Amino acid sequence: EVQLVESGGGLVKPGGSLRLSCAASGFTFSSYYMNWVRQAPGKGLEWVASVSSTGNHIFYSDSVQGRFTISRDNAKNSLYLHMSSLGAEDTAVYFCARESTTWHAFDIWGQGTVVTVSS
Amino acid sequence: AIQLTQSPSSLSASIGDRVTITCRASQGISSSLAWYQQKPGKAPKVVIYDASSLQSGVPSRFSGSGSGTDFTLTISSLQPEDFATYYCQQSNTYPYTFGQGTKLEIK
Repeated sequence: EVQLVESGGGLVKPGGSLRLSCAASGFTFSSYYMNWVRQAPGKGLEWVASVSSTGNHIFYSDSVQGRFTISRDNAKNSLYLHMSSLGAEDTAVYFCARESTTWHAFDIWGQGTVVTVSS
Repeated sequence: AIQLTQSPSSLSASIGDRVTITCRASQGISSSLAWYQQKPGKAPKVVIYDASSLQSGVPSRFSGSGSGTDFTLTISSLQPEDFATYYCQQSNTYPYTFGQGTKLEIK
């Protein structure tokens, strides 16, 4: 079964750091661009970051540029998001999502992991 | 960044109705647009990719059209399971962006 499973969310104080993980299974992870998308409580979807299949190309939204780092380990079929200098505005459900190789869409999503930034 | 503006933001409709949601891009994005359905507490699910292609397993009552800057998602005959929030998303240019969402509710 094709699956993405996020972990690592939790409660963190403002200014703190956290690392999210996304474990992939059921497909050739190293062939796909991967993304992080977040959703603040009661709000819409926000694209956060993207990493190419080899990890050589990385893109960020303006809202996280300089604070978040996306990375991947193809040997471990895993995607990561290291988040630092966290603020209340980063409180959200964080989803990892696979980008189709043949069409423009995120075709597989994880169930999400909750990050809460609060003192 | 390319802005995507969806309309309406919310919509009340009845079972069997035909509904259309629009998504306008602030600049041309060719056909690099997807539509997602999201139900409360769940991850989004792609229903349309490349503006007009139906994702495998999605009922044929869903259809998409458009290219360039103007796009539509149409549900031809609403079913109870279609009541959800719908988002458009462009992947033509980084930073990728989503529309603000359209909440489809039962009248």
